[in-house]
Amino acid sequence: QSVLTQPPSVSAAPGQKVTISCSGSSSNIGKNYVSWYQHLPGTAPKFLIYDNNKRPSGIPDRFSGSRSGTSATLGITGLQTGDEADYYCGTWDSSLNVWMFGGGTKLTVL
Amino acid sequence: QVQLQQSGPGLVKPSQTLSLTCAISGDSVSSKNAAWNWIRQSPSRGLEWLGRTYYRSKWHTDYAISVKSRITINPDTSKNQFSLQLNSVTPEDTAVYYCVYYDSSGYPTKWGQGTLVTVSS
Repeated sequence: QSVLTQPPSVSAAPGQKVTISCSGSSSNIGKNYVSWYQHLPGTAPKFLIYDNNKRPSGIPDRFSGSRSGTSATLGITGLQTGDEADYYCGTWDSSLNVWMFGGGTKLTVL
Repeated sequence: QVQLQQSGPGLVKPSQTLSLTCAISGDSVSSKNAAWNWIRQSPSRGLEWLGRTYYRSKWHTDYAISVKSRITINPDTSKNQFSLQLNSVTPEDTAVYYCVYYDSSGYPTKWGQGTLVTVSS
């Protein structure tokens, strides 16, 4: 069971928008930047968002991130079937001195 | 650009030791701007950070609480690589293991190719 809590699954239709939440505590999300990753089976995770809301080069602006207090949110607009994947939030925990990932959210594009 | 090449067995017997190595090109394991991590992924546990080693005037290691009693991550400066040892494995340790480079920004920006390790007799 992860210290960072994500919903197990979300779904939406192509072209729609979806949000994925990540809930933590004052020692992790409340104190450190959050990042997001997309994981497709058989491939290495892909870096989507860093510093809560910044996109690495090559990541389309359909992907966005935000943080408020001890929670963070990943948003994806204009959903495509290729967006079907598992999504993870990640951050450092300053009390435990460990990096941690959320439990992961499976996105289904109906 | 950093490249990571993993090696090690894909099958380990229960109670034995899982050992993987990650060869680095494009940077030094002794770099003061990098950290060298191991992360695993399984359907039941998702992505799980296992630990890291890094050099800042001296060597440091940090380990996940879940494996702290069983894990060792070591740098090898002569071969520019780092390794993972996980002792007393059980079938729950079956996963795809990745070596991962965290750059100066503190994010995992380069992943090895992944090694599926199955724990089974």
